[in-house]
Amino acid sequence: EVQLVESGGVVVQPGGSLRLSCAASGFTFDDYAMHWVRQGPGGGLEWVSLITWDGGSTYYADSVKGRFTISRDNSKNSLYLQMNSLRVEDTALYYCVKDKYGSSWTLDPWGQGTLVTVSS
Amino acid sequence: QSVLTQPPSASGTPGQRVTISCSGSSSNIGSNSVHWYQHLPGTAPKLLIYRNDQRPSGVPARFSGSKSGTSASLAISGLRSEDETDYYCAAWDDSLSGYVFGPGTKVTVL
Repeated sequence: EVQLVESGGVVVQPGGSLRLSCAASGFTFDDYAMHWVRQGPGGGLEWVSLITWDGGSTYYADSVKGRFTISRDNSKNSLYLQMNSLRVEDTALYYCVKDKYGSSWTLDPWGQGTLVTVSS
Repeated sequence: QSVLTQPPSASGTPGQRVTISCSGSSSNIGSNSVHWYQHLPGTAPKLLIYRNDQRPSGVPARFSGSKSGTSASLAISGLRSEDETDYYCAAWDDSLSGYVFGPGTKVTVL
């Protein structure tokens, strides 16, 4: 069974930094692209970032480009999101998501999420 | 403001058919597959339809998807009380080089 367990969400001040982690199990991690998606207080889903299976390509939403960095360690079956220059509007539940077919951009399954709150 | 457009709400009585539309452009729906996600608040979102009209195993046949040009739709037949939740369409956008979600549609079972 695929398991994705996010961690690292805390309360942080605007301008601060944070690193989220996602521990993956139940599948061959380095065969699949991985994504981060967030849900803010308004309720809608917002795609944040994508990394290909080998880490060779990364993509970002315009709202986080230049501030967030996605990475992975295939030897540890782990996905990361380094978040810098955090803003109040980055407050959200952050989900780690597996690509269903390697690089199909079909998001399945999703982790349970880790909560990031940016507040002074 | 999302590049994909969905109605904010849809409703029906038990047993009815409800359809949710998703409108995009040539850079997203017009050139890439559409996926649909079901999200019950407080739980992890769930893939409902992928590659426009494919149902993952375990998803009831009551859910179906279609795509034509730059629009897509999700249909729920035989509406049930447990279908009352939020639904999102999504697609890769070639112009943005990113994945985009619609704003979501809340389905209410009357």
